[in-house]
Amino acid sequence: QKEVEQDPGPLSVPEGAIVSLNCTYSNSAFQYFMWYRQYSRKGPELLMYTYSSGNKEDGRFTAQVDKSSKYISLFIRDSQPSDSATYLCAMSPPGGSYIPTFGRGTSLIVHP
Amino acid sequence: DSGVTQTPKHLITATGQRVTLRCSPRSGDLSVYWYQQSLDQGLQFLIQYYNGEERAKGNILERFSAQQFPDLHSELNLSSLELGDSALYFCASSVGAGGTTDTQYFGPGTRLTVL
Repeated sequence: QKEVEQDPGPLSVPEGAIVSLNCTYSNSAFQYFMWYRQYSRKGPELLMYTYSSGNKEDGRFTAQVDKSSKYISLFIRDSQPSDSATYLCAMSPPGGSYIPTFGRGTSLIVHP
Repeated sequence: DSGVTQTPKHLITATGQRVTLRCSPRSGDLSVYWYQQSLDQGLQFLIQYYNGEERAKGNILERFSAQQFPDLHSELNLSSLELGDSALYFCASSVGAGGTTDTQYFGPGTRLTVL
């Protein structure tokens, strides 16, 4: 079992839909949780990160962490075709110089 | 544009060969990270350099090596190439020595194809 599991998709939704992207993990030491967006033929870019449990909102994006279930989510409201990309979750323990462990990424397609 | 540059964009070579991938970090960034991304494995951390010194090591094969030069650019050397080494290789850079809050900025990647 990989430390971080993420369904590769693709997930295809109509424009305006609410999108839910998810990851599960097995390492209970993970405290920092990140979401990266990767457009085709580009490198990943950090979208948002959260610490421990709870929700964090940034515009149309909401990151949610449920540490008891070892489950994190990224919600995208009013999805746009420009949101079409691969979304990677990443996570790491606190402190030190830990390198994040990445999920495989979920491919999202938002069609007009 | 993240400010991280990588050359070449594409590389096609044969099994058993050796190649060098180059990365220039963002201005002011002291850390350089190398990642390998393949369809089946996802994004795998290879190695990190901070101000010229190796800082962290991930799943890097013995056939692979890297270094960071005094001007902070970095090179990843891949030797005795195998078909399974075909992948996207990303370089990222950050200001500090690493850690979760030290945001990494990724370059556009080098696509390596081994025939």
